[in-house]
Amino acid sequence: DAKTTQPTSMDCAEGRAANLPCNHSTISGNEYVYWYRQIHSQGPQYIIHGLKNNETNEMASLIITEDRKSSTLILPHATLRDTAVYYCIAPQGGSEKLVFGKGMKLTVNP
Amino acid sequence: NAGVMQNPRHLVRRRGQEARLRCSPMKGHSHVYWYRQLPEEGLKFMVYLQKENIIDESGMPKERFSAEFPKEGPSILRIQQVVRGDSAAYFCASSPYRGPNTEAFFGQGTRLTVV
Repeated sequence: DAKTTQPTSMDCAEGRAANLPCNHSTISGNEYVYWYRQIHSQGPQYIIHGLKNNETNEMASLIITEDRKSSTLILPHATLRDTAVYYCIAPQGGSEKLVFGKGMKLTVNP
Repeated sequence: NAGVMQNPRHLVRRRGQEARLRCSPMKGHSHVYWYRQLPEEGLKFMVYLQKENIIDESGMPKERFSAEFPKEGPSILRIQQVVRGDSAAYFCASSPYRGPNTEAFFGQGTRLTVV
């Protein structure tokens, strides 16, 4: 997988936007950027993915830089239930295999 | 729409027994992936299957582990002669088609405890 780098942890106040960064400087042109999260010990939850253009769905927005070397996941109004480990993944060469790194622990505080 | 269903949710086996973990993908999904999460560790890819075919088993331990996804019925992850080190959460995911532009949906996992 294209190596992704995320901060170890981040705090966010409830109701505020949470901006989760990810660096993927070695990403190839055909490699998508995926975001998943794992709340406590539940199964991972798909959030969003994109290739070049910014993407938005009911959960979040994904902003990918023009050079595709980094991206930001935006949770527009974080809630306590958004506390989770967030994973930024760039499967290598279009592979379907997801390689989960250590992720980033987001804690949303009241 | 029912999500990815895994059963059992919890499984206790004595050392040396066999463990069978089942995964029913989402309706219309013909691609299944198995991942393992050891305590306090990240998720590790094990195997990717399409109906009746193993596409990628690069993450499967060489011995005791096998997986199948028959034409009818759920995908099965089978662990023979379990050992304490097999204790982990096993997650299954499914996707509707193959390719880089597809999201995978995960089940809630089976927590295997070997005593």
